[in-house]
Amino acid sequence: EAGVVQSPRYKIIEKKQPVAFWCNPISGHNTLYWYLQNLGQGPELLIRYENEEAVDDSQLPKDRFSAERLKGVDSTLKIQPAELGDSAVYLCASSLGRDRGTDTQYFGPGTRLTVL
Amino acid sequence: AQSVTQPDIHITVSEGASLELRCNYSYGATPYLFWYVQSPGQGLQLLLKYFSGDTLVQGIKGFEAEFKRSQSSFNLRKPSVHWSDAAEYFCAVVEGGNTGTASKLTFGTGTRLQVTL
Repeated sequence: EAGVVQSPRYKIIEKKQPVAFWCNPISGHNTLYWYLQNLGQGPELLIRYENEEAVDDSQLPKDRFSAERLKGVDSTLKIQPAELGDSAVYLCASSLGRDRGTDTQYFGPGTRLTVL
Repeated sequence: AQSVTQPDIHITVSEGASLELRCNYSYGATPYLFWYVQSPGQGLQLLLKYFSGDTLVQGIKGFEAEFKRSQSSFNLRKPSVHWSDAAEYFCAVVEGGNTGTASKLTFGTGTRLQVTL
């Protein structure tokens, strides 16, 4: 069974440019997460989707970040405009979404963003 | 708010030696605890998880972890380390438990394991 797929794996852009990341979750997983991982830190949740609904976006910087999951399957995370401090790894994860507490999250390989 | 502390930023062990990575959590209710491993350029892979029951849990790749409520700890162990175990290890706790609310993972800052031959 295929795992969580993310693209691109690496992205280098200049500041003030837009950038988008794509994620395809494991088939049948209703819940999708986007995490930000800064160098030397653990991942931090940006947004969580239950099917196509964003149910927790409290940590998403909404002035420049946006996300969508239009058909409740794959998702896109966008930054516009990018800033130097956005350089990090952006991880996508998915889970079945059937039991909140014991729902195991499976992670993709991440997109490493470098903003110059 | 819940938090996870991994006091060791970097650990070096010799191949074949035993390993223990420390994890302490701060959470009012019974936590659900996880250990993930991240190899360079890779996503996080689940090693093991604790929800309830037996406090000693077995995971993949020969790892185990023990939940100690009195110490608020969930330390990861392996009897004999292999060179391929060199990676970053993250402890995480779920906020909200089985209350029907968000399944939000809070991660520690990680411990980088180096294995010498």
